[in-house]
Amino acid sequence: DVKVTQSSRYLVKRTGEKVFLECVQDMDHENMFWYRQDPGLGLRLIYFSYDVKMKEKGDIPEGYSVSREKKERFSLILESASTNQTSMYLCASSSLDATYEQYFGPGTRLTVT
Amino acid sequence: GDSVTQMEGPVTLSEEAFLTINCTYTATGYPSLFWYVQYPGEGLQLLLKATKADDKGSNKGFEATYRKETTSFHLEKGSVQVSDSAVYFCAFGYNFNKFYFGSGTKLNVKP
Repeated sequence: DVKVTQSSRYLVKRTGEKVFLECVQDMDHENMFWYRQDPGLGLRLIYFSYDVKMKEKGDIPEGYSVSREKKERFSLILESASTNQTSMYLCASSSLDATYEQYFGPGTRLTVT
Repeated sequence: GDSVTQMEGPVTLSEEAFLTINCTYTATGYPSLFWYVQYPGEGLQLLLKATKADDKGSNKGFEATYRKETTSFHLEKGSVQVSDSAVYFCAFGYNFNKFYFGSGTKLNVKP
């Protein structure tokens, strides 16, 4: 079974802190994704990566950056956390096969106070 | 442009009732279709999928058929249980960077 793990289930940070969210997948998937999920807004894509050191902006990249130094690991960085970044963050991965299905981690609920 | 439209919730049913959640899509490519389920406080889990027209995906009593002519992928279950209470997302993808989710439909099943 594909397993996607995220470093924390719950995280509380203060405004202005630098925040790192880590995601690891164990299926040698090429593609990895970061989404945020907010009530009434559904899932919104922040960034994705299709290879090591490669990244592409999604729909809402402002205030975020990412890092992919190893194939299995994809990090989301909040350079200076703000209260409007309080959200559920979901990591996903997919392979290059033609079905394109994405596999999700359990999510990190981040609260910025 | 590409998009997914699914019925708004919440949907409230009694246990053993029949469930239908409608989903239609607009895609510029030839997509694979998916239903995901999200239980409270958790991430999304793949429930079922279909990769070509007329395919039927099924899992845990849920079914959905890929209808290319109506661009639809409606989710059905003959007899829902309380444990099916969750949010259900319809989605499609036709490239690794072309993956779209619906807004989600919350299902509440009462004993």
